[in-house]
Amino acid sequence: ILNVEQSPQSLHVQEGDSTNFTCSFPSSNFYALHWYRWETAKSPEALFVMTLNGDEKKKGRISATLNTKEGYSYLYIKGSQPEDSATYLCAPWGSQGNLIFGKGTKLSVKP
Amino acid sequence: DTGVSQDPRHKITKRGQNVTFRCDPISEHNRLYWYRQTLGQGPEFLTYFQNEAQLEKSRLLSDRFSAERPKGSFSTLEIQRTEQGDSAMYLCASSYGQGAGNTIYFGEGSWLTVV
Repeated sequence: ILNVEQSPQSLHVQEGDSTNFTCSFPSSNFYALHWYRWETAKSPEALFVMTLNGDEKKKGRISATLNTKEGYSYLYIKGSQPEDSATYLCAPWGSQGNLIFGKGTKLSVKP
Repeated sequence: DTGVSQDPRHKITKRGQNVTFRCDPISEHNRLYWYRQTLGQGPEFLTYFQNEAQLEKSRLLSDRFSAERPKGSFSTLEIQRTEQGDSAMYLCASSYGQGAGNTIYFGEGSWLTVV
């Protein structure tokens, strides 16, 4: 069973601050890593699917990097806005053909 | 809206009753997943289908749980003789293709409260 760790568990920042979160996963048998943003009362929204070591992906003010050799991924948010408040989940692809989720990082951005 | 649709969104039931959730995936998506999320945890995998075939089931899926996808389109998740520990959000997701690099799209979930 994959052990997926996300840190920090929660984060409170001021509007305009830049922030980053970490997702750690076993480096062996890597297939892909997915990042999701989950706002309250909405469906989890796919942010990135990352497959190659050294991958960097960007979507607006959000970007992510991937290191499969050491088993981690970083998610960065530049200039946080209140609408960025959500839980950010990472999920490596498991050998059974499904996503294995971490517990998430809950971000609160104060205006 | 052509996203993943789940019904009902909320269900309160008495312990011992049976409940059924329905999921309509995005059209043409051949893979369909069920996950469960409890407070403070990330979504936990329950089962998935490739078309109408149920390919994997988690150990979390006890004998009281059964899932079907009879025509390879919508799916149902039934919980028999519900227990308070079944209270959770049940999430459905779908994707086109089975590769690790394919985006998986989630519905808004069905909340179950067992009283």
